[in-house]
Amino acid sequence: DAGVIQSPRHEVTEMGQEVTLRCKPISGHDYLFWYRQTMMRGLELLIYFNNNVPIDDSGMPEDRFSAKMPNASFSTLKIQPSEPRDSAVYFCASRKTSGGYNEQFFGPGTRLTVL
Amino acid sequence: AQSVTQPDIHITVSEGASLELRCNYSYGATPYLFWYVQSPGQGLQLLLKYFSGDTLVQGIKGFEAEFKRSQSSFNLRKPSVHWSDAAEYFCAASGGGADGLTFGKGTHLIIQP
Repeated sequence: DAGVIQSPRHEVTEMGQEVTLRCKPISGHDYLFWYRQTMMRGLELLIYFNNNVPIDDSGMPEDRFSAKMPNASFSTLKIQPSEPRDSAVYFCASRKTSGGYNEQFFGPGTRLTVL
Repeated sequence: AQSVTQPDIHITVSEGASLELRCNYSYGATPYLFWYVQSPGQGLQLLLKYFSGDTLVQGIKGFEAEFKRSQSSFNLRKPSVHWSDAAEYFCAASGGGADGLTFGKGTHLIIQP
């Protein structure tokens, strides 16, 4: 299995630009999570989906952030407009529900730098 | 509010020495508990997990953790560390069901030769 795939691995952009981060979950997994990691706040859950439907977006910091999951194999996290304080590593994770709770598998992350 | 606390930001141990990383949680009920490891520039790898049952759980790479309900703790241990164990270690919890993970701030493990 290829694992969770994220792209790009690194993104450098200027303040005010739109940024789109992409995630391909593990095939067959029905939950998808987006996390953000910063030095100050550590790892935070932003939003998660179940069967492509957003379940909890209470962690999304502000309206500049949006996430979609148009199908079971693809999700995007968009920041528009980006700001320097959005600089962080963004992780995508997926999980399969089968007969109980199973662990989340994390992608390698996207390191975002907003200048 | 649900929270996970890792009281040690940095820990330095000598290669071959034993290791214990602390984790405390605050949840309404006993959560599902996890330990993840993150090497520099990498994603998170699951070391072990506790859902229920035996309070001593074994994980990969020779790690184990013990769940203690009375202390709301889930400490990670290894009897003899190797230089390759140097990394960031995260304790995490989930309320079960379908929600995401709440992470501690992490403990940075340094291995001295």
